[in-house]
Formats: sequence, structure tokens, C-alpha cells
Amino acid sequence: AQSVSQHNHHVILSEAASLELGCNYSYGGTVNLFWYVQYPGQHLQLLLKYFSGDPLVKGIKGFEAEFIKSKFSFNLRKPSVQWSDTAEYFCAVNAHYKLSFGAGTTVTVRA
Amino acid sequence: DTAVSQTPKYLVTQMGNDKSIKCEQNLGHDTMYWYKQDSKKFLKIMFSYNNKELIINETVPNRFSPKSPDKAHLNLHINSLELGDSAVYFCASSRQTGNQETQYFGPGTRLLVL
Repeated sequence: AQSVSQHNHHVILSEAASLELGCNYSYGGTVNLFWYVQYPGQHLQLLLKYFSGDPLVKGIKGFEAEFIKSKFSFNLRKPSVQWSDTAEYFCAVNAHYKLSFGAGTTVTVRA
Repeated sequence: DTAVSQTPKYLVTQMGNDKSIKCEQNLGHDTMYWYKQDSKKFLKIMFSYNNKELIINETVPNRFSPKSPDKAHLNLHINSLELGDSAVYFCASSRQTGNQETQYFGPGTRLLVL
């Protein structure tokens, strides 16, 4: 069974700072990789996804993620965060039609 | 034009009661899911239906019974509610295309068992 680990439980940063959230998975086969965002009190929204091809994936709201197969990693980045990026971020791995989520990272952006 | 919708949005009930949560998707997807998000925000899949057939049933108490009347609907019935059932329940749907699929989530149902 696959598992997903997110390195940071809570990240606090100031507006305009750069953000990087780590995600590692354990599964040896072909995987689909996702980052979802959950704004306070809201549902999960898809930020970006990787299926195949270019390992650098661009998503919505200026986010991007890089798939490094040798490291089983799919880290999320944003060069300059805004206050509105305050949310819970979930990395997810889909293998054999089953989506497994990491524990989530709470990102708090201070104005 | 909501893609994945759930009702009710909030549900407060007493222990021992039976309740249902409904989910509908208008995306033409063939697979639907129920997830439970606990108080620590951890998300775990409960069930998955593909073309009205159960394909994933994670170790969920049999007090939880999903029902899929058609491909666009997946309801969750919970018998004899317990305090530990308090959580946010998310429905999701996807279209199976080989081994590539993206799941889209509903707004969640916040269940509080007193």
C-alpha cells in the first residue's frame, strides 16, 4: 500500500516570502501525484497534478511542483505568497485507483 | 452549476440516531468516493463506487452503508451514530481513464454527534 508523508505540520511565513512544502511517497509503481488546497471552512480544491511528462508542473494561483522520481518526492513551491494563501495543503498519491493523502500542512501567511 | 454537491452541509444529531448524507455530481463521472476528515484534518478514504458497484471498502464499521442509485449519486447512511463519527465527510468523483484520474471534491458535510 502506498503512503504519503508531508514534512511540515505547520508553516508560518510573511507575505512575499517563498514557500516550499515537502512531500514524499512510498510506492514503487506508476503513480499520479496531486496537491490539493483547503481554505478555512471550505472543500478541497485541486492546485496541480502530475501524471507523466515534464516533471515540473505548474498549477493555479502561481503554485508549481516538481516530481523527482529518484527521491519519491513531489514538493510544492510558490515564489511569493500572499495572505490569501493561508490554508491547509494536502499532497496525495493515486495508485491502483486509490487516493492516499498526507497529513496536511497548515500554512499561515502573516500580512 | 455545482460540480459535486452534498446535502446537508451541517448535521447535528444525538448518539444512536440514524442519518444519511447525499452526494450528487453533474460531471458525468463514473466513479464516486466518500472520505472522512477527522479533527486533525487527516483525510481517509471510506468507500469508492465505479458504475454503481463497490470497488473500495476500507475498514469502515458496517454501521456505514453507501448506496449508489445511479452513477451520479452516492449516498452514505450511518446507523447508530457514535461520538467518534463526528467529522467532516467529503464526497468526490472522478472519471476512470486508464490509470489517470483526477478526483473532484464536494463541499463537505460537517457531522457533529452529541
